[in-house]
Amino acid sequence: EVQLLESGGGLVKPGGSLRLSCAASGFTFSNYIYNMNWVRQAPGKGLEWVSTIMTINNNKKYGDSVRGRFTISRDDAKSSLFLHMNSLRVDDTAIYYCVREYQGRGMDVWGRGTTVTVSS
Amino acid sequence: SYVLTQPPSVSLAPGETATITCGGSNIGGYSVHWYQQKPGQAPLLVIYYDFRRPAGSPERISGSNSGNTATLTISRVEAGDEADYYCQVWDTNSDHWVFGGGTKLTVL
Repeated sequence: EVQLLESGGGLVKPGGSLRLSCAASGFTFSNYIYNMNWVRQAPGKGLEWVSTIMTINNNKKYGDSVRGRFTISRDDAKSSLFLHMNSLRVDDTAIYYCVREYQGRGMDVWGRGTTVTVSS
Repeated sequence: SYVLTQPPSVSLAPGETATITCGGSNIGGYSVHWYQQKPGQAPLLVIYYDFRRPAGSPERISGSNSGNTATLTISRVEAGDEADYYCQVWDTNSDHWVFGGGTKLTVL
C-alpha cells in the first residue's frame, strides 16, 4: 500500500524553527516520475502549496509566503522528505501535508498531515 | 501570479447535478486537476488533466476545461458527495502550483 506518514509538527513560538519529516512507503521514492511536495491548510482555510522538490534533478520550488524561510530536502536512501522551517510566524499555523505528484498528473497520494502551531 | 476563482459554495438536492466552476485567465491552456476534501480528511484527487478520472473515482464525476473556465460536474449527487472541492494548475510562468479557493458542496 502506498503511504506517506508525516511527523515533526508541534507548538513553536514565533521566530522559532521546526523540521517536518515524511516517510514514504509502497512505491519507489526515487523514481523520477514522482515529485514530492508540501501543501498546507490553515484552520478553516483552503489549500496552499508550500514547496516542491523535483526527483529528476533535485530542483526546488517555493511558494512566495515561505521562500527564504523554508527549505525542502529529501533522502532517497531512506525514502524520506523533509521541510525545514525557520523564522516561523503565526500565519504559518496549519496542517502540513506531504504529497506525491505523479508526472504532472496532479497530486495523487496525500499523507494524513502534521499540525504546526505557531503561538506565543 | 496566476489566480483561480471558485464560488464559495454550491447547494443542491440529492439526485441533482452539481456544477463547480474554476475561473482563470485562459485556463483552457492549462491542465486542471480537481480534489475532494471531506471534513477531517486529507484531499483526494478526483480529476486530473482536465477530465481524466483516477482509479476509484466514480463515473458520476467528470471535468471539462475551455476558455477561461474549468468545470467539475457531479451527476446524481448524494449525501456522500458533501465536501470541499479545489481546482489546481501548474503555473509555468511562476513555476508554482496554484489552488483555487475551494467550493463547499452541500447536499440539502
